[in-house]
Amino acid sequence: ETGVTQSPTHLIKTRGQQVTLRCSSQSGHNTVSWYQQALGQGPQFIFQYYREEENGRGNFPPRFSGLQFPNYSSELNVNALELDDSALYLCAMGTDAYEQYFGPGTRLTVT
Amino acid sequence: QKEVEQDPGPLSVPEGAIVSLNCTYSNSAFQYFMWYRQYSRKGPELLMYTYSSGNKEDGRFTAQVDKSSKYISLFIRDSQPSDSATYLCAMSVPSGSARQLTFGSGTQLTVLP
Repeated sequence: ETGVTQSPTHLIKTRGQQVTLRCSSQSGHNTVSWYQQALGQGPQFIFQYYREEENGRGNFPPRFSGLQFPNYSSELNVNALELDDSALYLCAMGTDAYEQYFGPGTRLTVT
Repeated sequence: QKEVEQDPGPLSVPEGAIVSLNCTYSNSAFQYFMWYRQYSRKGPELLMYTYSSGNKEDGRFTAQVDKSSKYISLFIRDSQPSDSATYLCAMSVPSGSARQLTFGSGTQLTVLP
Protein backbone atom coordinates (compact mmCIF):
# COMPACT_ATOMS: atom_id res chain seq x y z
CA GLU A 1 0.00 0.00 0.00
CA THR A 2 1.33 3.41 -0.98
CA GLY A 3 -0.91 5.37 1.39
CA VAL A 4 -2.23 7.39 -1.57
CA THR A 5 -5.98 7.23 -1.90
CA GLN A 6 -8.27 8.41 -4.68
CA SER A 7 -12.00 8.89 -4.93
CA PRO A 8 -14.27 7.94 -6.43
CA THR A 9 -13.12 4.52 -7.70
CA HIS A 10 -15.06 4.88 -10.89
CA LEU A 11 -17.76 7.05 -12.37
CA ILE A 12 -19.72 7.56 -15.54
CA LYS A 13 -20.37 11.00 -16.99
CA THR A 14 -22.04 12.36 -20.08
CA ARG A 15 -20.22 14.35 -22.74
CA GLY A 16 -20.20 18.06 -21.87
CA GLN A 17 -20.45 17.53 -18.14
CA GLN A 18 -17.86 18.45 -15.54
CA VAL A 19 -16.08 16.11 -13.11
CA THR A 20 -13.95 16.45 -9.97
CA LEU A 21 -11.55 13.73 -8.86
CA ARG A 22 -9.81 13.67 -5.50
CA CYS A 23 -6.49 12.46 -4.14
CA SER A 24 -5.02 12.37 -0.65
CA SER A 25 -2.14 10.82 1.24
CA GLN A 26 -1.42 9.72 4.78
CA SER A 27 2.09 11.18 4.48
CA GLY A 28 2.99 14.82 4.00
CA HIS A 29 4.21 14.72 0.40
CA ASN A 30 4.49 18.27 -0.87
CA THR A 31 4.22 17.39 -4.55
CA VAL A 32 1.23 15.87 -6.30
CA SER A 33 1.02 14.97 -9.97
CA TRP A 34 -1.90 13.82 -12.08
CA TYR A 35 -1.71 11.40 -14.98
CA GLN A 36 -4.17 10.14 -17.56
CA GLN A 37 -3.83 6.52 -18.64
CA ALA A 38 -5.79 5.40 -21.67
CA LEU A 39 -6.45 1.70 -22.12
CA GLY A 40 -3.29 -0.12 -23.22
CA GLN A 41 -1.09 2.96 -22.83
CA GLY A 42 1.34 4.30 -20.29
CA PRO A 43 0.29 7.19 -18.03
CA GLN A 44 0.50 10.66 -19.58
CA PHE A 45 1.49 13.62 -17.39
CA ILE A 46 -1.30 16.17 -16.96
CA PHE A 47 0.15 18.59 -14.40
CA GLN A 48 1.89 18.88 -11.08
CA TYR A 49 1.33 20.95 -7.97
CA TYR A 50 3.98 21.96 -5.49
CA ARG A 51 3.07 23.93 -2.37
CA GLU A 52 -0.39 24.68 -3.78
CA GLU A 53 0.84 26.08 -7.09
CA GLU A 54 0.93 24.46 -10.51
CA ASN A 55 4.58 24.14 -11.53
CA GLY A 56 4.41 21.87 -14.55
CA ARG A 57 1.87 20.92 -17.20
CA GLY A 58 1.83 18.35 -19.95
CA ASN A 59 0.07 18.60 -23.29
CA PHE A 60 -3.44 18.94 -21.93
CA PRO A 61 -5.92 21.78 -22.60
CA PRO A 62 -6.97 24.35 -19.98
CA ARG A 63 -10.25 22.53 -19.33
CA PHE A 64 -8.08 20.24 -17.19
CA SER A 65 -7.40 22.15 -13.97
CA GLY A 66 -6.46 21.32 -10.44
CA LEU A 67 -5.98 22.37 -6.87
CA GLN A 68 -3.68 21.41 -4.05
CA PHE A 69 -4.75 22.12 -0.49
CA PRO A 70 -2.65 23.00 2.60
CA ASN A 71 -2.91 19.39 3.78
CA TYR A 72 -1.42 18.36 0.37
CA SER A 73 -4.61 16.68 -0.84
CA SER A 74 -5.56 17.54 -4.39
CA GLU A 75 -8.36 17.76 -6.91
CA LEU A 76 -8.43 17.32 -10.66
CA ASN A 77 -11.26 19.08 -12.46
CA VAL A 78 -12.22 18.41 -16.04
CA ASN A 79 -14.76 20.63 -17.78
CA ALA A 80 -16.70 20.02 -21.00
CA LEU A 81 -16.00 16.30 -20.96
CA GLU A 82 -15.25 14.61 -24.28
CA LEU A 83 -15.45 10.93 -25.16
CA ASP A 84 -11.64 10.78 -25.39
CA ASP A 85 -11.42 11.78 -21.73
CA SER A 86 -12.46 8.23 -20.83
CA ALA A 87 -9.42 6.82 -19.03
CA LEU A 88 -7.89 5.87 -15.71
CA TYR A 89 -6.83 9.01 -13.83
CA LEU A 90 -3.92 8.55 -11.48
CA CYS A 91 -2.42 10.82 -8.90
CA ALA A 92 1.13 10.40 -7.67
CA MET A 93 2.76 11.83 -4.60
CA GLY A 94 6.37 12.04 -3.54
CA THR A 95 9.14 14.38 -2.59
CA ASP A 96 11.80 13.02 -4.94
CA ALA A 97 11.95 12.83 -8.71
CA TYR A 98 12.56 9.10 -8.56
CA GLU A 99 10.16 8.02 -5.83
CA GLN A 100 6.64 8.78 -6.92
CA TYR A 101 3.86 6.72 -5.38
CA PHE A 102 0.62 6.25 -7.23
CA GLY A 103 -2.89 5.88 -5.97
CA PRO A 104 -5.23 3.19 -7.30
CA GLY A 105 -6.79 5.56 -9.81
CA THR A 106 -10.26 6.71 -10.77
CA ARG A 107 -11.75 5.12 -13.86
CA LEU A 108 -13.78 7.70 -15.78
CA THR A 109 -16.15 6.71 -18.54
CA VAL A 110 -17.66 9.43 -20.71
CA THR A 111 -20.71 8.47 -22.76
CA GLN B 1 8.79 9.61 -32.37
CA LYS B 2 7.95 9.01 -28.71
CA GLU B 3 10.55 9.95 -26.13
CA VAL B 4 10.29 6.49 -24.56
CA GLU B 5 9.70 3.32 -26.56
CA GLN B 6 8.71 0.03 -24.98
CA ASP B 7 7.80 -3.27 -26.61
CA PRO B 8 4.12 -3.75 -25.73
CA GLY B 9 4.28 -7.55 -25.89
CA PRO B 10 2.35 -9.48 -24.79
CA LEU B 11 5.08 -11.66 -23.36
CA SER B 12 4.29 -15.15 -22.07
CA VAL B 13 6.87 -17.27 -20.23
CA PRO B 14 6.84 -20.45 -18.13
CA GLU B 15 7.27 -20.25 -14.38
CA GLY B 16 10.93 -20.08 -13.38
CA ALA B 17 12.07 -18.41 -16.60
CA ILE B 18 14.27 -15.32 -16.73
CA VAL B 19 12.35 -12.35 -18.12
CA SER B 20 13.93 -9.41 -19.89
CA LEU B 21 11.96 -6.19 -20.34
CA ASN B 22 13.42 -3.28 -22.27
CA CYS B 23 12.95 0.39 -23.08
CA THR B 24 14.78 2.84 -25.28
CA TYR B 25 14.69 6.60 -25.01
CA SER B 26 15.70 9.62 -27.02
CA ASN B 27 15.99 12.42 -24.44
CA SER B 28 19.58 12.64 -23.19
CA ALA B 29 18.41 14.79 -20.27
CA PHE B 30 16.72 11.84 -18.54
CA GLN B 31 18.67 11.02 -15.42
CA TYR B 32 16.30 8.95 -13.29
CA PHE B 33 15.00 5.63 -14.53
CA MET B 34 12.18 3.74 -12.86
CA TRP B 35 10.30 0.51 -13.32
CA TYR B 36 6.70 0.21 -12.24
CA ARG B 37 4.48 -2.85 -12.06
CA GLN B 38 0.77 -2.45 -12.70
CA TYR B 39 -1.78 -5.12 -12.02
CA SER B 40 -5.06 -5.02 -13.89
CA ARG B 41 -7.25 -2.11 -12.81
CA LYS B 42 -4.71 -0.93 -10.22
CA GLY B 43 -2.31 1.98 -9.97
CA PRO B 44 1.37 1.55 -10.89
CA GLU B 45 3.61 0.26 -8.10
CA LEU B 46 7.22 1.44 -7.94
CA LEU B 47 9.60 -1.54 -8.23
CA MET B 48 13.00 0.03 -8.62
CA TYR B 49 14.75 3.22 -9.58
CA THR B 50 18.27 3.91 -10.76
CA TYR B 51 20.21 7.09 -11.32
CA SER B 52 23.42 6.14 -13.07
CA SER B 53 24.50 3.65 -15.69
CA GLY B 54 25.08 0.13 -14.45
CA ASN B 55 23.12 -2.51 -12.60
CA LYS B 56 20.98 -2.39 -9.48
CA GLU B 57 19.70 -5.54 -7.88
CA ASP B 58 16.76 -6.07 -5.52
CA GLY B 59 15.87 -9.68 -4.81
CA ARG B 60 14.78 -11.34 -8.04
CA PHE B 61 14.80 -8.02 -9.92
CA THR B 62 17.77 -6.37 -11.64
CA ALA B 63 17.56 -2.98 -13.32
CA GLN B 64 20.18 -2.09 -15.91
CA VAL B 65 20.85 1.30 -17.46
CA ASP B 66 23.10 2.03 -20.43
CA LYS B 67 23.08 5.79 -20.96
CA SER B 68 25.47 5.62 -23.91
CA SER B 69 22.95 3.51 -25.82
CA LYS B 70 19.88 5.13 -24.22
CA TYR B 71 18.65 1.70 -23.25
CA ILE B 72 17.28 0.35 -19.97
CA SER B 73 16.29 -3.15 -18.96
CA LEU B 74 14.56 -4.98 -16.14
CA PHE B 75 15.42 -8.62 -15.53
CA ILE B 76 13.22 -10.90 -13.45
CA ARG B 77 14.80 -14.14 -12.26
CA ASP B 78 12.83 -17.23 -11.26
CA SER B 79 9.61 -15.66 -12.53
CA GLN B 80 6.41 -16.49 -10.67
CA PRO B 81 2.75 -16.43 -11.74
CA SER B 82 2.31 -13.53 -9.30
CA ASP B 83 4.69 -11.51 -11.52
CA SER B 84 2.00 -11.49 -14.22
CA ALA B 85 1.27 -7.81 -14.76
CA THR B 86 2.06 -4.88 -17.01
CA TYR B 87 5.54 -3.45 -16.53
CA LEU B 88 6.09 0.23 -17.21
CA CYS B 89 9.40 1.98 -17.58
CA ALA B 90 9.48 5.64 -16.58
CA MET B 91 12.05 8.39 -16.74
CA SER B 92 12.45 11.88 -15.40
CA VAL B 93 14.59 14.95 -15.75
CA PRO B 94 15.58 16.55 -12.44
CA SER B 95 14.33 20.13 -12.63
CA GLY B 96 13.91 21.95 -9.37
CA SER B 97 10.71 20.77 -7.76
CA ALA B 98 9.41 19.19 -10.97
CA ARG B 99 8.56 15.50 -10.74
CA GLN B 100 7.21 14.80 -14.24
CA LEU B 101 7.56 11.17 -15.30
CA THR B 102 7.61 10.08 -18.92
CA PHE B 103 6.36 6.52 -19.33
CA GLY B 104 6.69 3.83 -21.91
CA SER B 105 3.50 2.19 -23.12
CA GLY B 106 4.04 -0.88 -20.93
CA THR B 107 4.81 -4.56 -21.55
CA GLN B 108 2.16 -7.09 -20.57
CA LEU B 109 3.76 -10.15 -18.97
CA THR B 110 2.11 -13.49 -18.24
CA VAL B 111 3.97 -16.16 -16.26
CA LEU B 112 2.39 -19.55 -16.80
CA PRO B 113 2.39 -22.06 -13.91
